[in-house]
Amino acid sequence: QSALTQPPSASGSPGQSVTISCAGASSDVGANSYVSWYQQHPGKAPKLMIYEVNKRPSGVPDRFSGSKSGNTASLTVSGLQADDEADYYCSSYTVSSNLVFGGGTKLTVL
Amino acid sequence: EVQLLESGGGLVQPGGSLRLSCAASGFTFSDYTMTWVRQAPGKGLEWVSAISGRGDITTFNTDSVKGRFTISRDNSKNTLYLQMNSLRAEDTAIYYCAKALLRLRDGCDYWGQGTLVTVSS
Repeated sequence: QSALTQPPSASGSPGQSVTISCAGASSDVGANSYVSWYQQHPGKAPKLMIYEVNKRPSGVPDRFSGSKSGNTASLTVSGLQADDEADYYCSSYTVSSNLVFGGGTKLTVL
Repeated sequence: EVQLLESGGGLVQPGGSLRLSCAASGFTFSDYTMTWVRQAPGKGLEWVSAISGRGDITTFNTDSVKGRFTISRDNSKNTLYLQMNSLRAEDTAIYYCAKALLRLRDGCDYWGQGTLVTVSS
């Protein structure tokens, strides 16, 4: 199972919006609506930000949103804040009943 | 409050074995799929294995741990385990246990702080 493809880095200024892509295949991202996004600050455990493509767990600001088109999912962070600077990982459930993660995107708030 | 506390990591020689544990509290443990995810130093997340709430269904990242790792759980002790055999240098990573929202496909809403496994001679 190949890892999902994410850009290694993304950046934006405070208040701006940034979108991170997550490219998969018809056997994972394209196969269902089970794409999740995680935020990880240095030295910390990952935190669930989005699940089932576009749902937010309780406590996650609505500045974070998710979408999917075909084999590619996206995470958009609006109104960038300094604390949004972190690594972001997508994951997808696969047709083999496994999970696959993306390689991660380092988001820098300029 | 949901808490997940991993233990059992450490330094082990190539070819050796380790058993990781994850003590869970704050939720009905047997109702949820649990999973192990690892992160090599400076690298991304890699899913390792998952087990259903009743422990009757297990799945593995066959590409990386096939036949070497075994996942299990003791619902009477609210504890998740990962038995790791025939360890290789590439298994060196922080190992996180995580609770699924309900099932593996739903995503993981709570994570432990991780336990470091170092495979080296």
